[in-house]
Amino acid sequence: KAGVTQTPRYLIKTRGQQVTLSCSPISGHRSVSWYQQTPGQGLQFLFEYFSETQRNKGNFPGRFSGRQFSNSRSEMNVSTLELGDSALYLCASSSLRADTGELFFGEGSRLTVL
Amino acid sequence: GENVEQHPSTLSVQEGDSAVIKCTYSDSASNYFPWYKQELGKGPQLIIDIRSNVGEKKDQRIAVTLNKTAKHFSLHITETQPEDSAVYFCAAGQAGTALIFGKGTTLSVSS
Repeated sequence: KAGVTQTPRYLIKTRGQQVTLSCSPISGHRSVSWYQQTPGQGLQFLFEYFSETQRNKGNFPGRFSGRQFSNSRSEMNVSTLELGDSALYLCASSSLRADTGELFFGEGSRLTVL
Repeated sequence: GENVEQHPSTLSVQEGDSAVIKCTYSDSASNYFPWYKQELGKGPQLIIDIRSNVGEKKDQRIAVTLNKTAKHFSLHITETQPEDSAVYFCAAGQAGTALIFGKGTTLSVSS
């Protein structure tokens, strides 16, 4: 069974640009969550999607957005990039609601903002 | 909302020693407490979890304890091995809300 796939794995952007990250969950999983990982802050929750609906949202500015497609694949977008957005963005899928079942993480997309 | 504090941020032990990582949570309604291990260059992976109706759970060298009254839970690793070296995250959650993670503990096991 294929794991969670995130693309791209690495990317470099400049301030003010926008970026779109993609996540393909494990087949059959309907819940996708996104987390931002930085050295000082650990794993910070961005949002969770379940069956194309955003169920939960973390405390991030509106520049961070996401969506989920009918095949459960998800994308997140960050507009007007800032230096502080440099981080590893992790996607996780679950067969149940993300809060009560095991999360299966991808290897992440490492974003560097210059 | 939920807030999870994790200590220590770094932990160094000798091979064969035990390691203990502690977490506290703020929301008394939380009822699910997983622990994740993240190796270098990989995403976090679930190693053990516990639900609020259980006080302790063991899986070989790993155990987790939960004290709902004090709102804290701990990860215990016995007979540590070099391959246990990684970043460990605790988390807390409940139905209808997001899983909130602690800031992580970097465990180094030296041989």
